[in-house]
Amino acid sequence: GAVVSQHPSWVICKSGTSVKIECRSLDFQATTMFWYRQFPKQSLMLMATSNEGSKATYEQGVEKDKFLINHASLTLSTLTVTSAHPEDSSFYICSARDSPRLEETQYFGPGTRLLVL
Amino acid sequence: DAKTTQPPSMDCAEGRAANLPCNHSTISGNEYVYWYRQIHSQGPQYIIHGLKNNETNEMASLIITEDRKSSTLILPHATLRDTAVYYCIVRPNFGNEKLTFGTGTRLTIIP
Repeated sequence: GAVVSQHPSWVICKSGTSVKIECRSLDFQATTMFWYRQFPKQSLMLMATSNEGSKATYEQGVEKDKFLINHASLTLSTLTVTSAHPEDSSFYICSARDSPRLEETQYFGPGTRLLVL
Repeated sequence: DAKTTQPPSMDCAEGRAANLPCNHSTISGNEYVYWYRQIHSQGPQYIIHGLKNNETNEMASLIITEDRKSSTLILPHATLRDTAVYYCIVRPNFGNEKLTFGTGTRLTIIP
């Protein structure tokens, strides 16, 4: 299957700082990328959908000014957690799809674990 | 909201076939059934998907009932590395429709 990478795999930061997480599709061009968040012992919750070259669409309850998403190229999307606080500590996972074709499979990155102190 | 219902947990003996059920009684004609699994502290891994015919690949088989209201994922010879949370998801086959995860089934393979 297609490969999606994330960087960093884990990050620890102080409260109030901003953290950027990168998501890359390594062997295909991703017209659409998704960002999920997962708290301990819970399922994945979709945060936003981004399409290359356009603004991201955020799910209800997700603050777009706090979670900045940039999908500037067909192989890279970034999620920036601005002014991070301890409650933002979570497992952030991106996924990518190479086109909105029928039966298109969505591939996931390995995740980034964020700990805000 | 997730449109599927799965048992919260299951055990299976190593070497045996693991059969994971999923109910999706409100599935629409244009929705596919997808299965993903998530091993602890990793991103979800795609397993298989289907519309109405049974499907098989190197990882698993997917059996979809004729009325499409339920399906079963079969891991033919379970190993300890198959211990994971398995998610059954229905998704329309067009556009930028997202994958919505439910609570899944926590499968534990027992030595």
